[in-house]
Amino acid sequence: EVQLVESGGGLVKPGGSLRLSCVVSGFTLSSYSMHWVRQAPGKGLEWVSSMSSSTSFIYYADSMKGRFTISRDNAKNSLYLQMNSLRAEDTGVYYCARGYSGYVTDAFDIWGQGTMVTVFS
Amino acid sequence: QSALTQPASVSGSPGQSITISCTGTTSDVGGYNYVSWYQRHPGKVPKLMIYEVRNRPSGVSNRFSGSKSGNTASLTISGLQAEDEADYYCSSSTSTNTLIFGGGTKVTVL
Repeated sequence: EVQLVESGGGLVKPGGSLRLSCVVSGFTLSSYSMHWVRQAPGKGLEWVSSMSSSTSFIYYADSMKGRFTISRDNAKNSLYLQMNSLRAEDTGVYYCARGYSGYVTDAFDIWGQGTMVTVFS
Repeated sequence: QSALTQPASVSGSPGQSITISCTGTTSDVGGYNYVSWYQRHPGKVPKLMIYEVRNRPSGVSNRFSGSKSGNTASLTISGLQAEDEADYYCSSSTSTNTLIFGGGTKVTVL
């Protein structure tokens, strides 16, 4: 069964850091682009970051650029999101998702259940 | 970059057809055929319904169809069923190598 399981969320103060992990199973991680998407409480979906299967192409939403870093360890079947300089507006559920096609910012066909990040003072 | 514009809500009776619009600009919807649609039931993760404007992933009912005209993409649900009641989100690739979602549309089956 294809599955994505996120972890690493929690409570953090503004300016703090968190590292999210997404462990995948049921498919070969190195063959797919991978992505992070978030949803703030009561809001819609917001794209965070994408990484191509080859890791050659990495993209971030403007508000996360310079603060967030996406990475992957294919040997550990894991995707990561390092989040620094966190702000209250970064609060939300963070989902990892698998890319559906070879185009990096295309569709996402498999989603994890999400991990909650709360930034508060 | 602002979210793509979707109506907040759309409703229809069982058996009817409804259409959800997703309006962007020439820098996203109008310039690329990488428009996707997701269905999301409460408490569930999003499900890919349409990719690259009009393509259905395996297993998605052919009652769901996508199209695009200019800067506006559309998702049409034909033969509306109670199980179609959910939130629907569109997304599009952009000219700056990013991806943008719509604000979401709540579909109600009357």
